[in-house]
Amino acid sequence: DIQMTQSPSSLSASAGDRVTITCQAGQDIRTYLNWFQQKPGKAPKLLISDASILQVGVPSRFSGRGSGTDFSLTISSLQPEDIGTYYCQQFDALPFTFGQGTRLDIK
Amino acid sequence: EVQLVEAGGGLVQPGRSLRLSCTTSGFTFADYAVTWFRQAPGKGLEWVGIIKIQGFGGTTDYAASVKGRFFISRDDSRGIAYLQMNRLKTEDTAVYYCSRDCTNGVCYTSSFDFWGQGTRVTVSS
Repeated sequence: DIQMTQSPSSLSASAGDRVTITCQAGQDIRTYLNWFQQKPGKAPKLLISDASILQVGVPSRFSGRGSGTDFSLTISSLQPEDIGTYYCQQFDALPFTFGQGTRLDIK
Repeated sequence: EVQLVEAGGGLVQPGRSLRLSCTTSGFTFADYAVTWFRQAPGKGLEWVGIIKIQGFGGTTDYAASVKGRFFISRDDSRGIAYLQMNRLKTEDTAVYYCSRDCTNGVCYTSSFDFWGQGTRVTVSS
């Protein structure tokens, strides 16, 4: 199985801050990486697919980059509605594995 | 409007069985694989299994933790996927989600762009 290592596990930042979450794959996954946001009691929401493709309706303050084994999700200016848990997921090879999650809150 | 709706969760004793359904609408179901995920209370997301489209053999693959106990099937005529869960264990307690999946389909959208709301399964005596 491909291990996905996400960091940090939790993050507290102020509104307007630039926030970056990283995700490292245990082997080359090319750009087969998704980023999800999950709010309590809700299903995950796909934010970015294929490492850098912003999904329709997702604010442009979210961006993703990376390929191979190293990836990042950046929120350029944190908003209160961005609180939640963020997960990376590889879909290069079955089983499709997730990072352990990053809990983001507002200071 | 694309929709996926899970149903069939509930409280079940260890060793018993349960069948979940994932009823879809708003897209061509036969073009998409269907993947099941789960999330144990307070934990992260876990991939459970996938059923590919008929064009890819309609084959299935499962996480090691459920292999031989869980089985996924699909009814393309009705747009429904099923997760049959047998010999349930307490560690199967989770919210179960289905999602449409282009990784093993003939579609051109992002995989896992739509999920159901989830159905809760509690395995306890």
